[in-house]
Amino acid sequence: DAGVTQSPTHLIKTRGQQVTLRCSPKSGHDTVSWYQQALGQGPQFIFQYYEEEERQRGNFPDRFSGHQFPNYSSELNVNALLLGDSALYLCASSLGVSPYNEQFFGPGTRLTVL
Amino acid sequence: KNQVEQSPQSLIILEGKNCTLQCNYTVSPFSNLRWYKQDTGRGPVSLTIMTFSENTKSNGRYTATLDADTKQSSLHITASQLSDSASYICVVSMNYGGSQGNLIFGKGTKLSVKP
Repeated sequence: DAGVTQSPTHLIKTRGQQVTLRCSPKSGHDTVSWYQQALGQGPQFIFQYYEEEERQRGNFPDRFSGHQFPNYSSELNVNALLLGDSALYLCASSLGVSPYNEQFFGPGTRLTVL
Repeated sequence: KNQVEQSPQSLIILEGKNCTLQCNYTVSPFSNLRWYKQDTGRGPVSLTIMTFSENTKSNGRYTATLDADTKQSSLHITASQLSDSASYICVVSMNYGGSQGNLIFGKGTKLSVKP
């Protein structure tokens, strides 16, 4: 049973560029959430997708956008990259949107913006 | 402001010893509290989940407690092992009318177990 997978593992971009990160949820899961984790900090919630719609959103600018596909996989897009966007981006999946359902995390994508 | 604060920031203990990590939160509306273990460069893995009515929950050598009145939680690790070296993150889930709301993460406690 495959867990949550993310690609790529590492990514290096320059300021102003755009980036797309990808996430495949754990088998049977239909809800995907994205988090940004800066070095030495706890993850911060970006947004959550369920039924191909953004259901919840954290305090992130519109430069951060996402998409969920019919197979429940998801993408995170970041436009006009800033140095401060350098972080580990974590994807988590769950079955449904109940707060009691455990979120399973992927290994993350390490984004470095130069 | 919804916040989760953890202490200590870092901790070094000898293999075989016990330790307790603390978590204080000011999150509303509260749904549940989880402790996660995160190895360096990896995604967090859930250890325990506790709802409002639960006081104690164990998972092997990990025992979590929750005092919903004082909004405090602790994670006790017994007979520590080298593999316990990781960051331990306290996470509080908000409840938006039955839907999974924002997860509020603490900054974590970095535990190092030395031989």
